[in-house]
Amino acid sequence: QLHLQESGPGLVKPSETLSLTCSVSGGSISTSQYYWGWVRQPPGQGLEWIGHTFYSGTTRYNPSLKSRVTISVDSSKNQFSLNLRSVTAADTAVYFCARPGSAYRIDYWGQGILVTVAS
Amino acid sequence: EIVLTQSPDTLSLSPGERATLSCRASQSVNSVYLAWYQQKPGQAPRLLIYGASSRATGIPDRFSGSGSGTDFTLTISRLEPEDLAVYFCQQFDSSPPFITFGQGTRLEIK
Repeated sequence: QLHLQESGPGLVKPSETLSLTCSVSGGSISTSQYYWGWVRQPPGQGLEWIGHTFYSGTTRYNPSLKSRVTISVDSSKNQFSLNLRSVTAADTAVYFCARPGSAYRIDYWGQGILVTVAS
Repeated sequence: EIVLTQSPDTLSLSPGERATLSCRASQSVNSVYLAWYQQKPGQAPRLLIYGASSRATGIPDRFSGSGSGTDFTLTISRLEPEDLAVYFCQQFDSSPPFITFGQGTRLEIK
């Protein structure tokens, strides 16, 4: 059974970079079938897709965040990461790592990590 | 960009009743790429339905999905108290590659 677990700081200052890591267990991140991605949810609001990456490095980002986002894979650690630059209070959210499977349905989710942007 | 609009925003029903949740797309969606999720308070979303009408592993047959084109429906028959949750629809558009979610329908159990 695949398990995803987010880690990283819960508080980030405005204008700095939000960095999160997702550790994958129960399967290899290098499998050729799947993407690995991030979704966020501001408090009390809906879900927003941030982007996803293939293990080879091919990435797709939400156009509204594309200029500030990088998603990358570290196959040696079976992890993938999210960097979101120049954050503001609007980036405060629960961040989920996720695995979009066939037809981009998300069949595995991490538990989520709340990241607050505040000074 | 395809926009998904869910209705109603909130639905309040009693145990045993039937819930009908709607997801309308601003452009036609390939049914293969239409999914529904359940998110209980404090939890991550859980995949319920994929390909518009196929139940994910372990999902009870009380949950069913239907629809095509721009109109999709999630039906929950015989509501149980544990169905209290927010339900989201999601689609993937290949040009440009983009995943979007509806704003969600909150299901309250009286």
